[in-house]
Amino acid sequence: DAGVTQSPTHLIKTRGQQVTLRCSPKSGHDTVSWYQQALGQGPQFIFQYYEEEERQRGNFPDRFSGHQFPNYSSELNVNALLLGDSALYLCASSLYGAGGNYGYTFGSGTRLTVV
Amino acid sequence: QKEVEQNSGPLSVPEGAIASLNCTYSDRGSQSFFWYRQYSGKSPELIMFIYSNGDKEDGRFTAQLNKASQYVSLLIRDSQPSDSATYLCAVNRGRDDKIIFGKGTRLHILP
Repeated sequence: DAGVTQSPTHLIKTRGQQVTLRCSPKSGHDTVSWYQQALGQGPQFIFQYYEEEERQRGNFPDRFSGHQFPNYSSELNVNALLLGDSALYLCASSLYGAGGNYGYTFGSGTRLTVV
Repeated sequence: QKEVEQNSGPLSVPEGAIASLNCTYSDRGSQSFFWYRQYSGKSPELIMFIYSNGDKEDGRFTAQLNKASQYVSLLIRDSQPSDSATYLCAVNRGRDDKIIFGKGTRLHILP
């Protein structure tokens, strides 16, 4: 039973570039949430996708966008990268409505470095 | 006031002792509470969740919730060096079903 898979594992980008991160949820899960975790900080909620729609959004600029596909996998896109976007990006999957009660399953994350 | 507050530590505890990790939250409507363990360079791993006042035990771990005081804690009995990690408290704040994380407490178990 595959858990949450994220790709790539590591990524180095230059300021101003665009990046796409990918996530496949755990088998049986239909909801994907994305978090950004800067060094020494807790994960910050970016947004959540269910039924191919953005259901919730945190305090992140429009440079952060996402998508969910019919197979429940998801992408996180970040445009016009800033140095401050360097962080660990975590994908968390759950069953819609259940994650808030029983918690999320996290992927191993994508470490993004912007230079 | 931050939504979820934790002492960043490090908290140093001798091996075999009880480690006590604390968390406070600001939204009284919060419904569910989670403890995640995160090893350095790894992703968070769910240890326990609790949504009723009182204690919930799972092996060496006990979560305690006091909604009146807006306080949740995690006790780790018989601490082992492998328990050395950052412990993240997370809260489902209810009104919008978002899960908000604290900054985490670094725990160091001394052999």
